Amino acid sequence: GESVGLHLPTLSVQEGDNSIINCAYSNSASDYFIWYKQESGKGPQFIIDIRSNMDKRQGQRVTVLLNKTVKHLSLQIAATQPGDSAVYFCAENTGGTSYGKLTFGQGTILTVHP
Amino acid sequence: SAVISQKPSRDICQRGTSLTIQCQVDSQVTMMFWYRQQPGQSLTLIATANQGSEATYESGFVIDKFPISRPNLTFSTLTVSNMSPEDSSIYLCSVELDRVLDTQYFGPGTRLTVL
Repeated sequence: GESVGLHLPTLSVQEGDNSIINCAYSNSASDYFIWYKQESGKGPQFIIDIRSNMDKRQGQRVTVLLNKTVKHLSLQIAATQPGDSAVYFCAENTGGTSYGKLTFGQGTILTVHP
Repeated sequence: SAVISQKPSRDICQRGTSLTIQCQVDSQVTMMFWYRQQPGQSLTLIATANQGSEATYESGFVIDKFPISRPNLTFSTLTVSNMSPEDSSIYLCSVELDRVLDTQYFGPGTRLTVL
C-alpha cells in the first residue's frame, strides 16, 4: 500500500507485505537525498541515500526511487517485518552554499501488524 | 558510521533555567550539527557547530538562546538558555563523516521537558 493522509501520514501493513512510503521535496536544486528510520526514543537511523544523478538505488530489502521531474522520492520496503515499525523521514541536501544542511520531510508512521 | 553519544539522555527542568547538552563522537569529524525535534514533529536544524569559530545559526535560532561550543573535532555542546515550556523537545546532534558523501549520522537525542 501507499502512504496517505494529512498532517503526519500513517501507513499500516501486514507482516510480509511490501510498503511504499512517499515524500515530496521542495527544492529543485537538491542533489542528495536520505531516508532515515526513527524508532521511539531513539535518534534517526540512516537507511539509504541517493544522488540526483540516479533514479533508483537498492539496498537490503529497501529501494529508493527518485523522480526529479515531479520532485518525488519514495522508499520501498520489501517483506515488511514488525521491526520495521517506526517513523520514516526523507531529507534533502541542497548542496552548494547550503552544503551539509539537511531539510527534513514531515515523516510517515509505519505500523506493521504480525 | 560513527558512535555518537549525548548527555544527558533526558532531563526535566524548571522555567528560566539553562541546560547544556553534550555530544561526543568516537572519531574526528569535520561537521557537527544540532537539531530540534518538537513533540510529534520532524527535525529542524538549529545550527552548524564549527570547530574553532562561531556556530552558524539557521533562521529563527539565535546564539543568545542556543549558545554552541565546538572545542575540538570530537565534541560539541548546545545550551538551551532561559528555558520555557515551548523549549520542550528532543535535541539531536549529528555528524558528517565525509564531506563528499554528505551523509549525516545522528546521536540518540536528549529529551527535554520544561515545567
